[in-house]
Amino acid sequence: GAGVSQSPSNKVTEKGKDVELRCDPISGHTALYWYRQSLGQGLEFLIYFQGNSAPDKSGLPSDRFSAERTGGSVSTLTIQRTQQEDSAVYLCASSLVGAGSSYNEQFFGPGTRLTVL
Amino acid sequence: KQEVTQIPAALSVPEGENLVLNCSFTDSAIYNLQWFRQDPGKGLTSLLLIQSSQREQTSGRLNASLDKSSGRSTLYIAASQPGDSATYLCAASSNTGKLIFGQGTTLQVKP
Repeated sequence: GAGVSQSPSNKVTEKGKDVELRCDPISGHTALYWYRQSLGQGLEFLIYFQGNSAPDKSGLPSDRFSAERTGGSVSTLTIQRTQQEDSAVYLCASSLVGAGSSYNEQFFGPGTRLTVL
Repeated sequence: KQEVTQIPAALSVPEGENLVLNCSFTDSAIYNLQWFRQDPGKGLTSLLLIQSSQREQTSGRLNASLDKSSGRSTLYIAASQPGDSATYLCAASSNTGKLIFGQGTTLQVKP
């Protein structure tokens, strides 16, 4: 079956512009996660969705970052007024079950490479 | 705060060798530990998940073990092949489901 998909695969933007990154999880997966991977910081958790609600937003680095999930499926990560330090690969993952389960195996998408000039 | 460390950062071995990658974590209250493979410019591929109540998991030439009391996990790769060359990441899952990742071990298997 289809895996996690993300779009766009690459995004180049100018400092100060807003960007939207999209994630389509595996069908039927209730939990969705956003992470980002940068050279200096490795892989960092950003936000977790269970259904359409986000019980854990602790990894969002600033109020310029927001995310939503609709219909228990597609999620969008929005970065407002982008800065050069936002340049990274943004990865989305989904799992069949969410928090509290020892079997929430997460499956990752290919990522969106964001470059802020 | 959970911290995950992987040693070594890089490893180069000849084809056919058996090898062990190490992962340590500071908080033993994990829900599971997951091992991933990442090829250059690609996303993460899940290799093995060990639930907190388990001691090991096997898939083909891969075997992962978990010792919560000592805060350690190992990934054993048998009879390594050039196609195994990649970065291997371990990640500990908290009660919220979020994964805390190590920095990874970059493996090169030489023909």
